Amino acid sequence: SQQGEEDPQALSIQEGENATMNCSYKTSINNLQWYRQNSGRGLVHLILIRSNEREKHSGRLRVTLDTSKKSSSLLITASRAADTASYFCATDHTGANSKLTFGKGITLSVRP
Amino acid sequence: GAVVSQHPSWVICKSGTSVKIECRSLDFQATTMFWYRQFPKQSLMLMATSNEGSKATYEQGVEKDKFLINHASLTLSTLTVTSAHPEDSSFYICSARDPGRNSYEQYFGPGTRLTVT
Repeated sequence: SQQGEEDPQALSIQEGENATMNCSYKTSINNLQWYRQNSGRGLVHLILIRSNEREKHSGRLRVTLDTSKKSSSLLITASRAADTASYFCATDHTGANSKLTFGKGITLSVRP
Repeated sequence: GAVVSQHPSWVICKSGTSVKIECRSLDFQATTMFWYRQFPKQSLMLMATSNEGSKATYEQGVEKDKFLINHASLTLSTLTVTSAHPEDSSFYICSARDPGRNSYEQYFGPGTRLTVT
């Protein structure tokens, strides 16, 4: 069953603006990961946050995790047209060799 | 590092035929690989977990006799769609973990688009 649920489902912003995407999940996790997918391509891992972490940064990406609310957010700062893609959160329940459960994804369009 | 390839990148086959898709970890050994399918504008649905040297673990609702998975080596897993039908048309993606990196992230192949006519 689907674990992660992202919102909004689609987001359109102007280049240079920040994009915030949210993900909620239902059961406890070991870690939560965000992936990016360009149209018709495979997924690229963006960032992983463990259940005992609250915030992580990687370049223009900032992810937060609130385990009490079972939610995470991905912030992309100073967006670029090249950031246009689908973004998925995925939850990992037990860690090593555990399967990922993906949300439905968010389609981000960055207008130049 | 941690590159996963898939072959072919796209395939068109006739209804009733079988199609084999290969997933290779190019620069690491993957004891576990995962197979997903993705319909247009939808999420990835895990089909099965492929374990090297043992039988795959299928998710509920996935027909193991229709989607044959073989993980014969530490760098290769194959998915064979047997007696394909138009409803099997989809985007199939594999992924693998690199145990040598001690990381939980999965490395994804570029996907294989299957069209059954």
